[in-house]
Amino acid sequence: EVQLVESGGGLVKPGGSLRLSCAASGFTFSSSSMNWVRQAPGKGLEWVSFISPSSTFIDYADSLRGRFTISRDDAKNSLFLQMNSLEDEDTAVYYCVRDWGAARPQGVDHWGQGTLVTVSS
Amino acid sequence: DIQMTQSPSSLSASVGDRVTITCQASQDISNYLNWYQQKPGKAPKLLIYDASNLDTGVPLRFSGSGSGTDFTFTISSLQPEDIGTYFCQQYEDLLSFGGGTNVEIK
Repeated sequence: EVQLVESGGGLVKPGGSLRLSCAASGFTFSSSSMNWVRQAPGKGLEWVSFISPSSTFIDYADSLRGRFTISRDDAKNSLFLQMNSLEDEDTAVYYCVRDWGAARPQGVDHWGQGTLVTVSS
Repeated sequence: DIQMTQSPSSLSASVGDRVTITCQASQDISNYLNWYQQKPGKAPKLLIYDASNLDTGVPLRFSGSGSGTDFTFTISSLQPEDIGTYFCQQYEDLLSFGGGTNVEIK
């Protein structure tokens, strides 16, 4: 069974940093593309970032490029999101999700339960 | 960026009703469109991929159609367990989601 378990969320002040982690199991992580998708409270879904196997292809939502960095550790079956210069508008539940695309994002077939990031002074 | 406009933003229908949601892309996305269901307090779940293909285990009352810029998602006979929010998502250019349609039982 595919499992994606996020951690690292919490309360952070504007301008601060946070690193999210996602532990993957139940599938061959190293062969899978992954995304981060976020959802602000009571709002819709927003794609954040994509990473392909071997980190060959990486991409970000334009509005987040330069502040967020996605990475993976295939030896530990883990996905990460480093978030810097956080703003109030970054407050959201962040989902770690598996993508069936190879070199570009296509769609999500498995979702984690999400981790809440709250940016507030 | 490709914008996805979903309508209506919410609807209320009776059990057994046919429910239709539309999604319009700001440019041609061929059939690069997926639909998801999100139940309250839960992560979304994939229902339909490539505009019209039902994911494994998804009930046959769900269906999708369309190509280019205009897409439709239909529940042929609304059931109580179908309440939640439905999102379309394009992948012609990275990923972007529609604003969602909240489905309630009347």
